[in-house]
Amino acid sequence: DTEVTQTPKHLVMGMTNKKSLKCEQHMGHRAMYWYKQKAKKPPELMFVYSYEKLSINESVPSRFSPECPNSSLLNLHLHALQPEDSALYLCASSQDRTGGWETQYFGPGTRLLVL
Amino acid sequence: ELKVEQNPLFLSMQEGKNYTIYCNYSTTSDRLYWYRQDPGKSLESLFVLLSNGAVKQEGRLMASLDTKARLSTLHITAAVHDLSATYFCAVGETSGSRLTFGEGTQLTVNP
Repeated sequence: DTEVTQTPKHLVMGMTNKKSLKCEQHMGHRAMYWYKQKAKKPPELMFVYSYEKLSINESVPSRFSPECPNSSLLNLHLHALQPEDSALYLCASSQDRTGGWETQYFGPGTRLLVL
Repeated sequence: ELKVEQNPLFLSMQEGKNYTIYCNYSTTSDRLYWYRQDPGKSLESLFVLLSNGAVKQEGRLMASLDTKARLSTLHITAAVHDLSATYFCAVGETSGSRLTFGEGTQLTVNP
């Protein structure tokens, strides 16, 4: 099973709203990732969690707040977003073996529209 | 800073033809990935290449890696319409979990 699930599939929110994106995997992976992808562009890394600890934050604005409650779940809390934050948000996971990393498996994404 | 360049960025080809997509990267790495993305969909892992000279094939797609030239190729043989998608190469840090993606090649296969 190489499935990463994400909810919701679509989200529309106003600039004053608070919402959360959820990601789940049951492959026993210990690294989980959030990416942002604009249309016709490659994914841009936002955050990496390794063994439930934040290991990489790519200077993401604080209106995006990640959380890893356990090894299977990854959340992205959204607050006071801007219209330019509208994008496809992808979650991915991989094994996180010492000395390197493995193929990242991507979820279906959440398409976010900020009005 | 690791830079990854793909070319071409757009490729329109006829069914039955062959073509190659190129992926160049700027610093040492021995881990290279190819992903496929259909419009509005997520990324699907196609190949992982982990050593110099690695070659992987699946159906009409074949990927190779030359770490000395810092070059990977994705060769398409006898293209069919179902291969229409955007193809990304992604290169990993020598150690660590960060992937750097190329800009993607938007492939259209015409009947």
